[in-house]
Amino acid sequence: DQQVKQNSPSLSVQEGRISILNCDYTNSMFDYFLWYKKYPAEGPTFLISISSIKDKNEDGRFTVFLNKSAKHLSLHIVPSQPGDSAVYFCAASARSGGSNYKLTFGKGTLLTVNP
Amino acid sequence: GAGVSQSPRYKVAKRGQDVALRCDPISGHVSLFWYQQALGQGPEFLTYFQNEAQLDKSGLPSDRFFAERPEGSVSTLKIQRTQQEDSAVYLCASSLEWARGYGYTFGSGTRLTVV
Repeated sequence: DQQVKQNSPSLSVQEGRISILNCDYTNSMFDYFLWYKKYPAEGPTFLISISSIKDKNEDGRFTVFLNKSAKHLSLHIVPSQPGDSAVYFCAASARSGGSNYKLTFGKGTLLTVNP
Repeated sequence: GAGVSQSPRYKVAKRGQDVALRCDPISGHVSLFWYQQALGQGPEFLTYFQNEAQLDKSGLPSDRFFAERPEGSVSTLKIQRTQQEDSAVYLCASSLEWARGYGYTFGSGTRLTVV
């Protein structure tokens, strides 16, 4: 039972265009969401996060949108650059139960930005 | 050190062999996490330490898995009598203290292959 789903295994975009990576979740107890970026042979690197009390968080070229009613979030990268090519993981944590440190990850989406 | 260091980077074990995976967190980081990433999947939580105390080991798949952090810095994940299904990348992560919006810093992982 996958609680965090990234339904697109891969995405290919042209340099300079927008990349939109999607993530859906099923656990209504999730209240913090994070995006990680992973290059081959490296560990995941934290990119951006959003609390459930917000619907948008922006950091430079990266913006995360949260739609709680749809249990959906998306990461927008504008403009996309070839160096953004990596696997992007969506992750979530739940405040309840005293284990908010525990992240539940999706399977990841491989983004390829073509020059 | 500058980042989370894991060793070895690659480990091939014969089925039934015991292995020990080492993690050197960022100096001064109180929280330490182990995750398991199977091929084509996202990382899955194994265990959590705060200093030397193992506060959560709910993700350890079986009693063949054991983790320790005796002096609150370096951690070792030990797998006894390895099985083929243990083949995965084992990721260690640390944080100064757990702050939900900032994620953790991951190491590059140890790729374990059980043959």
